[in-house]
Amino acid sequence: GQQLNQSPQSMFIQEGEDVSMNCTSSSIFNTWLWYKQDPGEGPVLLIALYKAGELTSNGRLTAQFGITRKDSFLNISASIPSDVGIYFCAGQGSNYQLIWGAGTKLIIKP
Amino acid sequence: ETGVTQSPTHLIKTRGQQVTLRCSSQSGHNTVSWYQQALGQGPQFIFQYYREEENGRGNFPPRFSGLQFPNYSSELNVNALELDDSALYLCASSTRQGVGETQYFGPGTRLLVL
Repeated sequence: GQQLNQSPQSMFIQEGEDVSMNCTSSSIFNTWLWYKQDPGEGPVLLIALYKAGELTSNGRLTAQFGITRKDSFLNISASIPSDVGIYFCAGQGSNYQLIWGAGTKLIIKP
Repeated sequence: ETGVTQSPTHLIKTRGQQVTLRCSSQSGHNTVSWYQQALGQGPQFIFQYYREEENGRGNFPPRFSGLQFPNYSSELNVNALELDDSALYLCASSTRQGVGETQYFGPGTRLLVL
């Protein structure tokens, strides 16, 4: 099925470092969403973006909806151990379907 | 906690059998979407139900079918199970707002087909 291009696939970082991940698409989306999924659980919504160019923060998380409506990034500042997990971007078009990236696995080095 | 519940949490079936998965949506939500998530991949859209009618379908064969009930809970039925149907099945509920529609996910049902 169709997927967004999400990178990087995985990240190994030290606690306290900043993290950046992004998603690109060949299609335009009306909404970009960022989710986090822990093992054995469903995805949990982190940030929703509804307008091109929109920059939104949620605590240490910041995400932006690209001007072209074909991309988005998520930044996490000052990472902590509970940030470990898999982060997914998802784009939503006019048909309300969510198209997902393959995920970025965040691992914090001890 | 999103308020979206799914049952059962785990299920083991054999090839050729049929399975029914259930989802209760968050209070006030009238839309339920179902996704299949294979190990190590992002979720793939199966279909969506809005006010008891199918409202969009992904690239899944007809043996994947669903229902939405008047209380907006939903079922996913899969007939003639195949080994590749082994996956985490997620449902998400939302409210149709016209401008963006944030979907909230349940914990999923993990299906293993032997």
